[in-house]
Parts: sequence; C-alpha cells; structure tokens
Amino acid sequence: AQTVTQSQPEMSVQEAETVTLSCTYDTSENNYYLFWYKQPPSRQMILVIRQEAYKQQNATENRFSVNFQKAAKSFSLKISDSQLGDTAMYFCAFMKHIGDYKLSFGAGTTVTVRA
Amino acid sequence: EPEVTQTPSHQVTQMGQEVILRCVPISNHLYFYWYRQILGQKVEFLVSFYNNEISEKSEIFDDQFSVERPDGSNFTLKIRSTKLEDSAMYFCASSEWTRQGRVQGRESSGNTIYFGEGSWLTVV
Repeated sequence: AQTVTQSQPEMSVQEAETVTLSCTYDTSENNYYLFWYKQPPSRQMILVIRQEAYKQQNATENRFSVNFQKAAKSFSLKISDSQLGDTAMYFCAFMKHIGDYKLSFGAGTTVTVRA
Repeated sequence: EPEVTQTPSHQVTQMGQEVILRCVPISNHLYFYWYRQILGQKVEFLVSFYNNEISEKSEIFDDQFSVERPDGSNFTLKIRSTKLEDSAMYFCASSEWTRQGRVQGRESSGNTIYFGEGSWLTVV
C-alpha cells in the first residue's frame, strides 16, 4: 500500500504572500500520478493540480505550482499570491498508474490566509 | 461545467437504520467511487465500481455496505444497519478512465477523480 505523508498539520500565510506545503510518499511503483486537492470549509473536495510521474516538468495551474522530486519521493505545493479564498485544508494524494484507480490521501494541511 | 452531485447533503439517522446515499456521476465517466472522511481524519477509499460491478473495495467496506447503479445515471451507497462509527462525510466521485488506460488513443486526464460535495451522515 502507498503511504502519503503531510508533515505540516497547519500553516498560516499573509495575503499576497507565498506558502509551500510539503508532501512525501512511499511507493515501489515507477509510474504513478500525484494530486493536490483543496477542501474549503464547505468540505467539498476540489482538484487543484495533478502531476504524472513520467513527466519531469513540474505542473502549474495559475497561482499553484508543484515541485516534484521523483528520486526523493517529494511533491510539494506552492501557492503564490495567496488569497483569502485559498483558506482550506489541502490534501496530497497518490494514484498508481496501472492496476487500480483509487487515491491514497495524506492527512492534510490546514492553510489559513490572513488579511 | 459537469459535476458530481450528491444527495442528501446531510442526513441524521438512528443507529441500526438503513441509509442510502445517492450520487449522479459525471455523465461520460466510467469509474465511480465512494470515499469516507471521519471528522478530523484523512479521506479514505471505500469502493470503486466499473462496468456494473465492484472493481475494488477496502477493508472498511464490509457486508454492511453495498453499492448499486440502479439506472444509467445514479450510483448509490447503502449502509444496511448503521453504527455510531459510520458517522462521517461520504464523498462520491467519478473518473473517465478505462482499464485500457487511454481514451480514444489520446493521452488524457481521464484518471483524474472528481468529487461531489459530500453527504454528511450523522448516526445517533
């Protein structure tokens, strides 16, 4: 089974500043997918960004970008120009490339953006 | 934009009662899922469903749970005899992905799983 670890339970950032969330994972797979999901107070799970392990280029999605380090099994999320609406729980998740299509989630990091 | 919809958004039920949570996945998606999140804990996989049968299930998904696709649009999760520890947010999700791994020969984001807004179940 894959293990996803998010070592930062909570983080706080000033509006317009940048915050980086860490995620590490453990797998013996060579090809896989990684995701960041956002869960605002409404508790809906919203996809933020995805990364294919076979792609060396880091994924970006507007103000969100990742630093994917395959050898280190690290997948951090950077939120630039933080906005109040970014306040949420952020979950890192892993999916195998072949075999099953379920997500293994980390414990989450609560991000609070301060005005 | 297509989305996964779930009903009810919140249900309170007495211990021992049967509960059915309903979901309408995104229309062109082929894989359907249920996940659970107990308050304050991580999101956990329950079951995946493909081609009208369970594809995979976790150890949480015991005989008290069942899933069904009764028609071409709905996907349901039934809990036969609820327990206090079943209190949680239940998320339905869907993805486009097929077992062949591609959609019409093109690389796609088909394996991305899209979640509904969740059904909050409280067992009292």
